[in-house]
Amino acid sequence: GENVEQHPSTLSVQEGDSAVIKCTYSDSASNYFPWYKQELGKRPQLIIDIRSNVGEKKDQRIAVTLNKTAKHFSLHITETQPEDSAVYFCAASIRSGGGNKLTFGTGTQLKVEL
Amino acid sequence: DGGITQSPKYLFRKEGQNVTLSCEQNLNHDAMYWYRQDPGQGLRLIYYSQIVNDFQKGDIAEGYSVSREKKESFPLTVTSAQKNPTAFYLCASSIDRDRPSNQPQHFGDGTRLSIL
Repeated sequence: GENVEQHPSTLSVQEGDSAVIKCTYSDSASNYFPWYKQELGKRPQLIIDIRSNVGEKKDQRIAVTLNKTAKHFSLHITETQPEDSAVYFCAASIRSGGGNKLTFGTGTQLKVEL
Repeated sequence: DGGITQSPKYLFRKEGQNVTLSCEQNLNHDAMYWYRQDPGQGLRLIYYSQIVNDFQKGDIAEGYSVSREKKESFPLTVTSAQKNPTAFYLCASSIDRDRPSNQPQHFGDGTRLSIL
């Protein structure tokens, strides 16, 4: 099955700096890659996603890049703010019989320091 | 995502007891999913259902059971066979049927299950 690895497990940046989180996946059939933000004790919230027919997608301070050949994708957060502090999860999905199975990375604890 | 309701928020299980976690959605989504989250780990798929009266095992289905009698509801039962049930359980849903590509999954607020 699919295996998703995520690095780093913890990341500390100064407010205003950029943060980059990287993920690799194993199954070349994966074609959908969402990123979720989870604050302590709360639900994961979708912040951005990318499909395999696109190399990059941007939404204000957040961008995601995908390299299908190398099977890796990255989340970029610019001009970080304290409210960006949370755990971020990447995931990869294979479409299977009308639904999609998501395999998650182990998460990155991002801390934005003042 | 106010359209997905999980209950209860906290649940305690006694030795040898089955417990059922509720998940209801009013988003008219076709597919529903159950994930387990342990500290320091990502979410792992337990079961998923793409249509009423049909469901498939995920990666860690042993010790769990589900039903999908209504489109809106996808309850998860944690059976006594699940020896380490303490975790945060998350339900999700997505519009999937008749769509050409994967659709985003949206999550409920979760149920935290502990052993007494």
